[in-house]
Amino acid sequence: DAGVIQSPRHEVTEMGQEVTLRCKPISGHNSLFWYRQTMMRGLELLIYFNNNVPIDDSGMPEDRFSAKMPNASFSTLKIQPSEPRDSAVYFCASSSPGPAFFGPGTRLTVL
Amino acid sequence: KQEVTQIPAALSVPEGENLVLNCSFTDSAIYNLQWFRQDPGKGLTSLLLIQSSQREQTSGRLNASLDKSSGRSTLYIAASQPGDSATYLCAADNSGNTPLVFGKGTRLSVIA
Repeated sequence: DAGVIQSPRHEVTEMGQEVTLRCKPISGHNSLFWYRQTMMRGLELLIYFNNNVPIDDSGMPEDRFSAKMPNASFSTLKIQPSEPRDSAVYFCASSSPGPAFFGPGTRLTVL
Repeated sequence: KQEVTQIPAALSVPEGENLVLNCSFTDSAIYNLQWFRQDPGKGLTSLLLIQSSQREQTSGRLNASLDKSSGRSTLYIAASQPGDSATYLCAADNSGNTPLVFGKGTRLSVIA
């Protein structure tokens, strides 16, 4: 398996623009997690899904953030409109359960 | 609510030294305790996972222990090498399908 796949790897956008981050979990994994990493706050959970169903989105900072998992092999995290304080590295992870495996992350810069 | 703490935040050691990284957690009802390595600008690489019924796991020069009663885990690195320089993150979850809660990490520098 290729591991957890995220795209794009880097995204630079201007304030106010819509940003969509994508994740393909490891095949057979039934849990998917979105995290955000910043220097100040470390790794924070944004939302997670079990069997494609959102379980806890309390970590989503504002209504500007939304996430979907239309099927077992794909998830998106959307920010609309984006703001400079959204600049961070966004990680997707999956598990079966057992060890969690992380994707390479998307480095988002909002100017 | 689970909270995970890692001390120290940074550590510098000479090559060849054995070292211990510490992790503490507030809720002893954990399911998994997982150690990760993160290189600068990179993603997280899983090093070791200890299930709640286990006391330790070993992989090469790495040994991770778990003491649920005291709320502590340690990562022991034997004969450290410059290539071990990275940030080490500890994370705990409370069941197999719940998210990991992360500590802030320990940034390790091994000096040649």
